[in-house]
Amino acid sequence: DIVMTQTPLSSPVTLGQPASISCRSSQSLVHSDGNTYLNWLQQRPGQPPRLLIYKISNRLSGVPDRFSGSGAGTDFTLKISRVEAEDVGVYYCTQATQFPYTFGQGTKLEIK
Amino acid sequence: EVQLVESGGGLFQPGGSLRLSCAASGFTFSRWWMHWVRQAPGKGLLWVSYINGDGSRATYADSVRGRFTISRDNAENTVHLQMHSLRAEDTAVYYCVRGGSGTGLENWGQGTPVTVSS
Repeated sequence: DIVMTQTPLSSPVTLGQPASISCRSSQSLVHSDGNTYLNWLQQRPGQPPRLLIYKISNRLSGVPDRFSGSGAGTDFTLKISRVEAEDVGVYYCTQATQFPYTFGQGTKLEIK
Repeated sequence: EVQLVESGGGLFQPGGSLRLSCAASGFTFSRWWMHWVRQAPGKGLLWVSYINGDGSRATYADSVRGRFTISRDNAENTVHLQMHSLRAEDTAVYYCVRGGSGTGLENWGQGTPVTVSS
Protein backbone atom coordinates (compact mmCIF):
# COMPACT_ATOMS: atom_id res chain seq x y z
CA ASP A 1 0.00 0.00 0.00
CA ILE A 2 1.11 3.57 -0.64
CA VAL A 3 1.80 5.40 2.61
CA MET A 4 0.94 9.10 2.68
CA THR A 5 2.76 11.26 5.24
CA GLN A 6 1.65 14.81 6.02
CA THR A 7 3.50 17.58 7.83
CA PRO A 8 2.77 19.36 10.03
CA LEU A 9 0.00 17.54 11.87
CA SER A 10 -1.12 20.79 13.45
CA SER A 11 -0.89 24.28 12.03
CA PRO A 12 -1.88 27.34 14.08
CA VAL A 13 -2.23 30.27 11.72
CA THR A 14 -3.12 33.93 12.08
CA LEU A 15 -6.12 35.08 10.06
CA GLY A 16 -5.00 36.59 6.79
CA GLN A 17 -1.65 34.82 6.87
CA PRO A 18 -0.60 31.98 4.55
CA ALA A 19 -0.56 28.30 5.45
CA SER A 20 1.19 25.38 3.86
CA ILE A 21 0.78 21.62 4.26
CA SER A 22 3.17 19.05 2.84
CA CYS A 23 2.37 15.52 1.76
CA ARG A 24 4.84 12.83 0.78
CA SER A 25 3.98 9.45 -0.70
CA SER A 26 6.02 6.29 -0.20
CA GLN A 27 6.16 5.73 -3.96
CA SER A 28 5.52 7.71 -7.12
CA LEU A 29 1.88 8.63 -7.70
CA VAL A 30 2.29 8.82 -11.47
CA HIS A 31 -0.29 6.47 -12.97
CA SER A 32 0.37 4.39 -16.08
CA ASP A 33 -1.94 6.82 -17.92
CA GLY A 34 0.47 9.67 -17.14
CA ASN A 35 -1.75 11.40 -14.59
CA THR A 36 -0.89 11.90 -10.93
CA TYR A 37 -3.93 11.26 -8.78
CA LEU A 38 -3.01 13.26 -5.71
CA ASN A 39 -6.00 15.02 -4.19
CA TRP A 40 -6.67 17.25 -1.18
CA LEU A 41 -9.73 17.04 1.06
CA GLN A 42 -11.01 19.49 3.67
CA GLN A 43 -13.05 18.35 6.65
CA ARG A 44 -14.63 21.14 8.64
CA PRO A 45 -15.69 20.34 12.23
CA GLY A 46 -18.74 18.10 12.28
CA GLN A 47 -18.88 17.84 8.50
CA PRO A 48 -18.02 15.12 5.98
CA PRO A 49 -14.86 15.59 3.95
CA ARG A 50 -15.02 17.73 0.83
CA LEU A 51 -12.79 17.47 -2.23
CA LEU A 52 -10.83 20.69 -2.77
CA ILE A 53 -8.13 19.87 -5.29
CA TYR A 54 -7.61 16.92 -7.64
CA LYS A 55 -4.69 15.78 -9.76
CA ILE A 56 -2.23 17.88 -7.78
CA SER A 57 -3.41 21.36 -8.69
CA ASN A 58 -6.96 21.40 -10.10
CA ARG A 59 -9.47 23.19 -7.91
CA LEU A 60 -12.96 21.74 -7.85
CA SER A 61 -15.68 24.16 -8.96
CA GLY A 62 -16.56 26.53 -6.13
CA VAL A 63 -13.27 26.21 -4.27
CA PRO A 64 -11.78 29.64 -3.54
CA ASP A 65 -8.65 30.54 -5.47
CA ARG A 66 -6.74 31.13 -2.24
CA PHE A 67 -6.30 27.34 -2.25
CA SER A 68 -3.58 25.99 -4.51
CA GLY A 69 -1.81 22.69 -4.97
CA SER A 70 1.58 21.85 -6.37
CA GLY A 71 4.15 19.10 -6.55
CA ALA A 72 5.15 16.07 -8.55
CA GLY A 73 6.14 12.44 -8.13
CA THR A 74 6.16 11.88 -4.38
CA ASP A 75 6.14 15.40 -2.90
CA PHE A 76 3.12 17.66 -2.84
CA THR A 77 1.97 20.85 -1.16
CA LEU A 78 -1.34 22.52 -0.38
CA LYS A 79 -1.14 26.26 0.15
CA ILE A 80 -3.70 28.71 1.43
CA SER A 81 -2.66 32.21 0.49
CA ARG A 82 -4.63 34.02 3.18
CA VAL A 83 -6.36 31.94 5.83
CA GLU A 84 -9.97 32.78 6.63
CA ALA A 85 -12.03 31.65 9.62
CA GLU A 86 -14.02 29.20 7.45
CA ASP A 87 -10.80 27.33 6.57
CA VAL A 88 -10.56 25.83 10.07
CA GLY A 89 -10.64 22.05 9.94
CA VAL A 90 -8.57 19.03 9.03
CA TYR A 91 -6.92 18.68 5.64
CA TYR A 92 -6.08 15.30 4.14
CA CYS A 93 -3.99 14.41 1.13
CA THR A 94 -5.15 11.26 -0.61
CA GLN A 95 -3.94 9.20 -3.53
CA ALA A 96 -6.23 7.62 -6.11
CA THR A 97 -3.45 6.24 -8.30
CA GLN A 98 -3.82 2.69 -7.08
CA PHE A 99 -5.99 0.63 -4.80
CA PRO A 100 -6.27 0.76 -1.90
CA TYR A 101 -6.77 4.50 -1.93
CA THR A 102 -4.86 5.89 1.03
CA PHE A 103 -4.88 9.08 3.08
CA GLY A 104 -2.43 11.15 5.03
CA GLN A 105 -2.92 11.39 8.78
CA GLY A 106 -4.58 14.78 8.46
CA THR A 107 -3.37 18.29 9.32
CA LYS A 108 -5.44 20.28 11.75
CA LEU A 109 -5.61 23.94 10.75
CA GLU A 110 -6.55 26.24 13.59
CA ILE A 111 -6.55 29.94 14.17
CA LYS A 112 -4.02 31.42 16.59
CA GLU B 1 -27.21 18.58 -7.41
CA VAL B 2 -25.43 15.40 -6.39
CA GLN B 3 -26.94 13.88 -3.26
CA LEU B 4 -25.80 10.79 -1.39
CA VAL B 5 -27.84 9.67 1.60
CA GLU B 6 -26.58 6.81 3.73
CA SER B 7 -28.72 4.67 6.00
CA GLY B 8 -28.54 1.48 8.02
CA GLY B 9 -26.13 2.45 10.78
CA GLY B 10 -26.68 1.88 14.48
CA LEU B 11 -25.51 -0.27 17.39
CA PHE B 12 -24.54 -3.86 16.58
CA GLN B 13 -23.10 -6.81 18.47
CA PRO B 14 -19.62 -8.16 17.77
CA GLY B 15 -19.91 -11.00 15.32
CA GLY B 16 -23.13 -9.59 13.93
CA SER B 17 -24.12 -8.35 10.50
CA LEU B 18 -25.63 -5.28 8.95
CA ARG B 19 -26.23 -3.72 5.57
CA LEU B 20 -25.56 -0.09 4.82
CA SER B 21 -27.33 1.59 1.93
CA CYS B 22 -26.67 4.77 0.00
CA ALA B 23 -29.35 6.43 -2.11
CA ALA B 24 -27.91 8.53 -4.91
CA SER B 25 -29.54 11.26 -6.94
CA GLY B 26 -28.66 14.19 -9.16
CA PHE B 27 -26.44 12.31 -11.59
CA THR B 28 -26.41 9.33 -13.95
CA PHE B 29 -25.63 6.73 -11.31
CA SER B 30 -24.53 3.87 -13.54
CA ARG B 31 -21.69 5.93 -15.04
CA TRP B 32 -19.88 6.47 -11.76
CA TRP B 33 -17.72 4.39 -9.48
CA MET B 34 -18.95 4.32 -5.90
CA HIS B 35 -16.88 3.95 -2.73
CA TRP B 36 -17.28 3.48 0.98
CA VAL B 37 -14.86 5.28 3.28
CA ARG B 38 -14.95 5.12 7.06
CA GLN B 39 -13.73 7.29 9.91
CA ALA B 40 -13.35 5.90 13.41
CA PRO B 41 -14.18 8.32 16.25
CA GLY B 42 -11.55 11.04 16.43
CA LYS B 43 -9.45 9.35 13.76
CA GLY B 44 -8.55 9.79 10.12
CA LEU B 45 -10.05 8.37 6.95
CA LEU B 46 -9.86 4.77 5.76
CA TRP B 47 -10.94 3.70 2.31
CA VAL B 48 -13.07 0.55 2.58
CA SER B 49 -14.30 -0.54 -0.83
CA TYR B 50 -15.21 0.48 -4.37
CA ILE B 51 -17.46 -0.82 -7.11
CA ASN B 52 -17.37 0.13 -10.77
CA GLY B 53 -20.29 1.48 -12.76
CA ASP B 54 -21.87 -1.76 -13.94
CA GLY B 55 -21.06 -3.63 -10.74
CA SER B 56 -18.69 -6.08 -12.42
CA ARG B 57 -15.64 -5.14 -10.40
CA ALA B 58 -15.07 -4.43 -6.72
CA THR B 59 -12.07 -4.03 -4.46
CA TYR B 60 -11.68 -4.06 -0.68
CA ALA B 61 -9.32 -2.92 2.02
CA ASP B 62 -7.39 -5.80 3.57
CA SER B 63 -9.05 -5.15 6.93
CA VAL B 64 -12.53 -5.92 5.55
CA ARG B 65 -11.89 -8.33 2.69
CA GLY B 66 -13.86 -11.53 3.17
CA ARG B 67 -16.22 -9.88 5.68
CA PHE B 68 -17.71 -6.96 3.69
CA THR B 69 -19.38 -7.03 0.28
CA ILE B 70 -20.19 -4.01 -1.85
CA SER B 71 -23.01 -4.12 -4.40
CA ARG B 72 -25.12 -1.72 -6.40
CA ASP B 73 -28.56 -1.55 -7.95
CA ASN B 74 -28.43 0.78 -10.93
CA ALA B 75 -32.19 0.59 -11.41
CA GLU B 76 -32.69 1.93 -7.89
CA ASN B 77 -29.63 4.22 -7.82
CA THR B 78 -28.36 2.63 -4.65
CA VAL B 79 -25.13 1.15 -3.41
CA HIS B 80 -24.89 -1.20 -0.46
CA LEU B 81 -22.25 -2.44 1.92
CA GLN B 82 -23.03 -5.81 3.49
CA MET B 83 -20.96 -6.22 6.64
CA HIS B 84 -20.48 -9.56 8.44
CA SER B 85 -18.41 -10.77 11.40
CA LEU B 86 -18.41 -7.30 12.90
CA ARG B 87 -15.55 -6.27 15.15
CA ALA B 88 -15.16 -3.42 17.61
CA GLU B 89 -12.63 -1.86 15.24
CA ASP B 90 -15.35 -1.54 12.58
CA THR B 91 -16.89 1.20 14.73
CA ALA B 92 -16.87 4.32 12.56
CA VAL B 93 -18.87 6.75 10.51
CA TYR B 94 -19.29 5.20 7.08
CA TYR B 95 -19.37 7.57 4.13
CA CYS B 96 -20.75 6.83 0.69
CA VAL B 97 -18.60 8.57 -1.92
CA ARG B 98 -19.02 9.14 -5.64
CA GLY B 99 -15.76 8.48 -7.43
CA GLY B 100 -14.85 10.64 -10.38
CA SER B 101 -12.42 9.52 -13.04
CA GLY B 102 -9.53 11.79 -12.33
CA THR B 103 -11.01 13.36 -9.23
CA GLY B 104 -10.92 10.35 -6.97
CA LEU B 105 -13.33 10.76 -4.08
CA GLU B 106 -15.43 13.60 -5.44
CA ASN B 107 -18.77 13.79 -3.61
CA TRP B 108 -19.41 12.61 -0.05
CA GLY B 109 -22.57 11.77 1.81
CA GLN B 110 -23.18 12.91 5.39
CA GLY B 111 -22.26 9.47 6.70
CA THR B 112 -23.99 6.90 8.87
CA PRO B 113 -22.51 5.88 12.24
CA VAL B 114 -21.88 2.24 13.05
CA THR B 115 -21.05 1.15 16.59
CA VAL B 116 -19.99 -2.41 17.31
CA SER B 117 -20.21 -3.14 21.00
CA SER B 118 -21.67 -5.66 23.38
